[in-house]
Amino acid sequence: EVQLVESGGDLVQPGGSLRLSCSASGFTFRSYVMHWVRQAPGKGPEYVSAMSSNGGNTYYADSARGRFTISRDNSKNTLWLQMSSLRPEDTAVYYCVRESNGYNWAYDYWGQGTLVTVSS
Amino acid sequence: QSVLTQPPSVSGAPGQRVTISCTGNSSNIGAGYDVHWYQQLPGTAPKLLIYGNSNRPSGVPDRFSGSKSGTSASLAITGLQAEDEADYYCQSYDSSLSGAVFGGGTQLTVL
Repeated sequence: EVQLVESGGDLVQPGGSLRLSCSASGFTFRSYVMHWVRQAPGKGPEYVSAMSSNGGNTYYADSARGRFTISRDNSKNTLWLQMSSLRPEDTAVYYCVRESNGYNWAYDYWGQGTLVTVSS
Repeated sequence: QSVLTQPPSVSGAPGQRVTISCTGNSSNIGAGYDVHWYQQLPGTAPKLLIYGNSNRPSGVPDRFSGSKSGTSASLAITGLQAEDEADYYCQSYDSSLSGAVFGGGTQLTVL
């Protein structure tokens, strides 16, 4: 059974930093492109960042570029999102998401999410 | 303002058919990129419902179907059931933004 378990969400002050983790199991992690997708309260999902299966390529939404860093360790089946210079508008549930191997940019499995709240 | 446009809400009685539209532009749906649909039940993560415009993952009932034409796509749900009450999101890829884009979501109410 595919499982994606996020952790690391917290209440942080504006300008602060946070590191999210995603532990994957039930599939060959090193074979999949992985994403972070967030959802602000009452809003639709928003793509944040993606990393290729071997970690060689990273992709960012404009809202994340320069402030967030995605990384992975295929030996540990773990994906991370390092977030800095956090803003109130970054407040959201952050989901670790697997991209389908057959259809680019289709998200076939989602974690349960971890809540990040940016507030003073 | 979401890149893909969906109606905020739709409703239907049990057993009826409803459709949810998703309108994009020439950088996303109109450029030929696939449309995917997600169902989000209250308090849970989104779940893939339709991928590649019209394909259902294993376990999704055939009451759910998807289609795409030009710069738009649609999700149809037939034989509405109370358990279908949820938020539905469309999603595609946008070449000008170089990333995934989502619709604002449609809340389905089963009357």
